[in-house]
Amino acid sequence: GQNIDQPTEMTATEGAIVQINCTYQTSGFNGLFWYQQHAGEAPTFLSYNVLDGLEEKGRFSSFLSRSKGYSYLLLKELQMKDSASYLCAVSAYTGGGNKLTFGTGTQLKVEL
Amino acid sequence: EAGVAQSPRYKIIEKRQSVAFWCNPISGHATLYWYQQILGQGPKLLIQFQNNGVVDDSQLPKDRFSAERLKGVDSTLKIQPAKLEDSAVYLCASSFARGSSGGDSTDTQYFGPGTRLTVL
Repeated sequence: GQNIDQPTEMTATEGAIVQINCTYQTSGFNGLFWYQQHAGEAPTFLSYNVLDGLEEKGRFSSFLSRSKGYSYLLLKELQMKDSASYLCAVSAYTGGGNKLTFGTGTQLKVEL
Repeated sequence: EAGVAQSPRYKIIEKRQSVAFWCNPISGHATLYWYQQILGQGPKLLIQFQNNGVVDDSQLPKDRFSAERLKGVDSTLKIQPAKLEDSAVYLCASSFARGSSGGDSTDTQYFGPGTRLTVL
């Protein structure tokens, strides 16, 4: 099975930087995804890491360390619209294809 | 490019009734997924199709849930009979993935708007 752990809630100030951590334990690791989910909406894709290192995409960056089973999502220049749940999801090969298992999500609140 | 379509968006039923959800994936996407998301939790995979074959249905409560993807495109998920604990958002997602063992960006899943089910 898989075990994914991320903080339940975080609060940050508009304009600041916030780092959301995710640790995981899995077999057949095939990549790690971050999704953003606003209340009442579907998850939207933010980033994908399969190799160790940092992937940067505008204000959002995602880091992966496969040996440590660790990832983080970095959000810079926070805006009020970044208030949402951030889901860490681990992909693992299950024989017929890659299966995605989601963490419970980190609810980020951006304040003035 | 059109996204993943789902209907209905909302459904309210009494316990022990039946309900069906429909999903149309992004054109060209071979893999289709149904997830259940309970409030405050991450999505939980119910069933995964590659074309019209089932890849994983290990977490599908098969005594009451069924799903099909007959022509490898659209899919339906049915609950019969519904229980109170089935109240959740049912999300459909699709990806280009063809089922290879290596991970790459084709595994990226794109989600539809979901169906919010309330069982009374």
